[in-house]
Amino acid sequence: AQKVTQAQTEISVVEKEDVTLDCVYETRDTTYYLFWYKQPPSGELVFLIRRNSFDEQNEISGRYSWNFQKSTSSFNFTITASQVVDSAVYFCALSEAVTGANSKLTFGKGITLSVRP
Amino acid sequence: DAMVIQNPRYQVTQFGKPVTLSCSQTLNHNVMYWYQQKSSQAPKLLFHYYDKDFNNEADTPDNFQSRRPNTSFCFLDIRSPGLGDAAMYLCATSRSSGANVLTFGAGSRLTVL
Repeated sequence: AQKVTQAQTEISVVEKEDVTLDCVYETRDTTYYLFWYKQPPSGELVFLIRRNSFDEQNEISGRYSWNFQKSTSSFNFTITASQVVDSAVYFCALSEAVTGANSKLTFGKGITLSVRP
Repeated sequence: DAMVIQNPRYQVTQFGKPVTLSCSQTLNHNVMYWYQQKSSQAPKLLFHYYDKDFNNEADTPDNFQSRRPNTSFCFLDIRSPGLGDAAMYLCATSRSSGANVLTFGAGSRLTVL
């Protein structure tokens, strides 16, 4: 069975601070995919990143960066110089690479990030 | 330019009165999903369609049904809503199998009185 743990439930920062959102996962598969989605107050989940289990390179996209470490089963997300528009719920998710079937996404419970001006 | 459209955005119903939520997509994706998200919780998969093949999650109550009359549309029917069914219902699509990226709609928030 797969499981995603986001131990932080709520984080509040002041604008321009850096913030890291933690994600720890469990799976018995050797091939799997990890995701981060953002859910702003409007409700729609927005895809941020997908990373497969064979690619441990860290990734940077503008103010966003992701640190994938298989040794600790973690896939952490850092927002640099946070902005008010970053306020949202952030979900980490895991999908096993099931051949011939449909991807089933297991979500963590989400982290509510509030960025104050 | 919305690609996954859910209607209505807000639905109020009475206890036991059937409700239908709709989802349409312009992406021509093979897979359509319905998730239930209760307040401050993770989205929970109810079921999904791969083309016309229906896949129900083992713990989805019988009270929840779905229809996919064509590639573009998918419906969620709640036959007898209870107070515990009040939630946000999220529709999502993906191109095919494997760990594809899901594209979500904005959700339909259901209130049960």
